[in-house]
Amino acid sequence: YVLTQPPSVSVAPGETARITCGGNNIGNKNVHWYQQKPGQAPVLVIYYDSDRPSGIPERFSGSNSGNTATLTISRVEAGDEADYYCQVWDSSTDHVTFGGGTKLTVL
Amino acid sequence: EVQLVQSGAEVRKPGESLKISCKGSGYSFTTYWIGWVRQMPGKGLEWMGIIHPADSDTRYNPSFQGQVTISADKSISTAHLQWSSLKASDTAMYYCARPHSESSGYNAFDIWGQGTMVTVSS
Repeated sequence: YVLTQPPSVSVAPGETARITCGGNNIGNKNVHWYQQKPGQAPVLVIYYDSDRPSGIPERFSGSNSGNTATLTISRVEAGDEADYYCQVWDSSTDHVTFGGGTKLTVL
Repeated sequence: EVQLVQSGAEVRKPGESLKISCKGSGYSFTTYWIGWVRQMPGKGLEWMGIIHPADSDTRYNPSFQGQVTISADKSISTAHLQWSSLKASDTAMYYCARPHSESSGYNAFDIWGQGTMVTVSS
């Protein structure tokens, strides 16, 4: 199962960043999102399409429908600059797949 | 505090064997699956496989089946990832991680180890 993410997204501070994750009928799957800053382990920011773990700001939200899942970061801050990865489990094959990652640059 | 602590960085030559570890604490180790994720230098995340420490039920990404062995020793709350014959292409950061729910090993990983850098070079 292939997940397609844009290699990069750029946004000015205070604006809204949208990072997409494309996959065949991904709307029928649970999508998770991770943030990874340089030299650090990934951090879960959204699970089950739109749930936020404790400690993750409300500025992070997620949606999933059709062939595209989206991670939305509102009021972007310099500290949000990182790589973001989507992840799904394909129950038909028992495979877990990560997207290729998107580098978010805060201008 | 729930945490996973991994063993330190390793440098090996091609053909050598290696076993790295991931020790869980702050929770019941036998209740949750443990997963392993590879990140090659400058590249993305790759799901390698999962193990349930209670009974060592293990599932592999087909891309890694036969290339590595995932194991667990519940008596010391530790999971392992091992290679019998390393290649230069095994050079990567390896993370262990725990799903946010014990119901499935395929759930999102909310607890991560700090990573173990493995360098294979002659």
